[in-house]
Amino acid sequence: DAKTTQPNSMESNEEEPVHLPCNHSTISGTDYIHWYRQLPSQGPEYVIHGLTSNVNNRMASLAIAEDRKSSTLILHRATLRDAAVYYCILNQGGSEKLVFGKGTKLTVNP
Amino acid sequence: NAGVTQTPKFQVLKTGQSMTLQCAQDMNHEYMSWYRQDPGMGLRLIHYSVGAGITDQGEVPNGYNVSRSTTEDFPLRLLLAAPSQTSVYFCASKLQGGSVGELFFGEGSRLTVL
Repeated sequence: DAKTTQPNSMESNEEEPVHLPCNHSTISGTDYIHWYRQLPSQGPEYVIHGLTSNVNNRMASLAIAEDRKSSTLILHRATLRDAAVYYCILNQGGSEKLVFGKGTKLTVNP
Repeated sequence: NAGVTQTPKFQVLKTGQSMTLQCAQDMNHEYMSWYRQDPGMGLRLIHYSVGAGITDQGEVPNGYNVSRSTTEDFPLRLLLAAPSQTSVYFCASKLQGGSVGELFFGEGSRLTVL
């Protein structure tokens, strides 16, 4: 499976936008980019996914570079509830195995 | 709608004991899976199933058995517990295997093996 690289940690202030980067230079044409987050003492939850085009949903936006070697998860207005570990994952279309790395721990300051 | 339900939430075992972690989902999902998460680590896939009667190994299957006799249930069995199996276990499901859809996780089961 292609690997992803994320910063270990990031900080943000409440009500400000947050841009969480992810590098995936060995991505293949059939790899989908998934983002999950894990709040303290909870199971991971789905945030967003995309293939080539930018994607928006009620939780976040996903910006995918034109060459697809990197992507950015955008939280438009961070809240304290957004403090979590964010995982960027590549999933080959049809693969049964989502491989989670260590993710980025996001701290949101009041 | 309960989603993915795991029991027990906490368990302490002695080395060599056996136990089963239960996982049930009420969303009629075909795909179910088990992950373990160790401190400071991401999740690692243990076993998964794409439908009743079908199971397959993930990254770290050794020491664990699974079966899938119904669509709803996917129990994880530890036959001879070892301290290395101390971890938090998460069950997850999605609508179909082979799809890129959302994976729904349970709240986790924290297992300590002494």
